[in-house]
Amino acid sequence: HVQLQESGPGLVKPSQTLSLTCTVSGDSFSSVDYYWSWIRQPPGKGLEWIGNIHNSGSTYYNPSLKSRVTISLDTSKVQFSLRLSSLTAADTAMYYCAGAAMSRLFGAIDMWGQGTMLTVSS
Amino acid sequence: DIQMTQSPSSLSASVGDRVTISCRATQTISFYLNWYQQKPGKAPNLLIYGASSLQSGVPSRFSGSGSGTDFTLTISSLQPADFATYYCQQTYSWPRTFGQGTKVEIK
Repeated sequence: HVQLQESGPGLVKPSQTLSLTCTVSGDSFSSVDYYWSWIRQPPGKGLEWIGNIHNSGSTYYNPSLKSRVTISLDTSKVQFSLRLSSLTAADTAMYYCAGAAMSRLFGAIDMWGQGTMLTVSS
Repeated sequence: DIQMTQSPSSLSASVGDRVTISCRATQTISFYLNWYQQKPGKAPNLLIYGASSLQSGVPSRFSGSGSGTDFTLTISSLQPADFATYYCQQTYSWPRTFGQGTKVEIK
């Protein structure tokens, strides 16, 4: 059974950079079949796909965030990370890490972390 | 980017009702349409993938249909556990995009 767990600061000041980490337990991390993803959800609003990274290192980002986003992975630590720079209040949201099947399930997300809330405030 | 539009944005229904939620894409996405259920305070959960395939462990009262640009999620007989928000998502192209959500409330 695979589990994903986000970790992060909770509160960050405007203009600063956010760093979140997702730790993957289980043997799926080394699988060539997953995109490791970040998705966010502002309070009371819908889901926004931020981007993802494949085990090959290839990344895809949401164009609306691309200039501020970096997703990386550390296979030795079975972790992948999100960096989001130049934060504003509009970045306040629940941030989820997730696993999206690359060639199965039509690319659907079948693994989710529980989410970590980020508040951007001075 | 492919935009996904769900309708309605919310609905009220009773236990036992048949519920239908629509999702429309701004361009063809073949069968690359997935449905998720989200309950308050929880991460979303995959219900349907590939427009009509039921994810393992999901009750058979959930079904999906459609192809191209128009898709439907149907709950054949609404149960108390089904009151939640439902999202469609296209995985045909980058960036992945979600619909705005449909909240199913108790009448």
